[in-house]
Amino acid sequence: LAKTTQPISMDSYEGQEVNITCSHNNIATNDYITWYQQFPSQGPRFIIQGYKTKVTNEVASLFIPADRKSSTLSLPRVSLSDTAVYYCLVGDTTGGFKTIFGAGTRLFVKA
Amino acid sequence: DAMVIQNPRYQVTQFGKPVTLSCSQTLNHNVMYWYQQKSSQAPKLLFHYYDKDFNNEADTPDNFQSRRPNTSFCFLDIRSPGLGDAAMYLCATSRDLAGGNNEQFFGPGTRLTVL
Repeated sequence: LAKTTQPISMDSYEGQEVNITCSHNNIATNDYITWYQQFPSQGPRFIIQGYKTKVTNEVASLFIPADRKSSTLSLPRVSLSDTAVYYCLVGDTTGGFKTIFGAGTRLFVKA
Repeated sequence: DAMVIQNPRYQVTQFGKPVTLSCSQTLNHNVMYWYQQKSSQAPKLLFHYYDKDFNNEADTPDNFQSRRPNTSFCFLDIRSPGLGDAAMYLCATSRDLAGGNNEQFFGPGTRLTVL
């Protein structure tokens, strides 16, 4: 089972680009990498998912190097409302389904 | 809008008194999950259903049970709540388990208080 490691917290200012890196050294061949955002007293919300190289959607980009042992979530021009906890998940169905949220990164965006 | 609905949003129960939390979905997804999230911690998977196939996590206490009578509904039963079971309980769904189709859609959660 791939385990993920993320920074516990990060600070940023409005308008800056924020990059949050997740380590998953034991990622398996079939594993996808998924990021979720969670605000206080709400359920997590899907941000982006990828398997390799780069994925971009309307809210974020996900960079995955060739060895796939890490991934970086990039949030362009953050605002105060991006203050939240960001979770990196790695999992698949090989050998039985597993989904384990890592500790998450608490991002605090300041004015 | 298609969504995941959890009722109630807040539930208070007494120590040892059985309680049931409910979840419904309009997404017609195959998979439904129940997570427990304690304060300042990450969500912890308790179990999931793939259609009618129930999958319990190895470390989920026997005190926690689940039912999925149909595609749309899933229930979490806590048979004898203890003080340590006070938490946010999150229900989620996904189209499938396989990577690329396993984006999870979460409900707003039910916050359980045990007195």
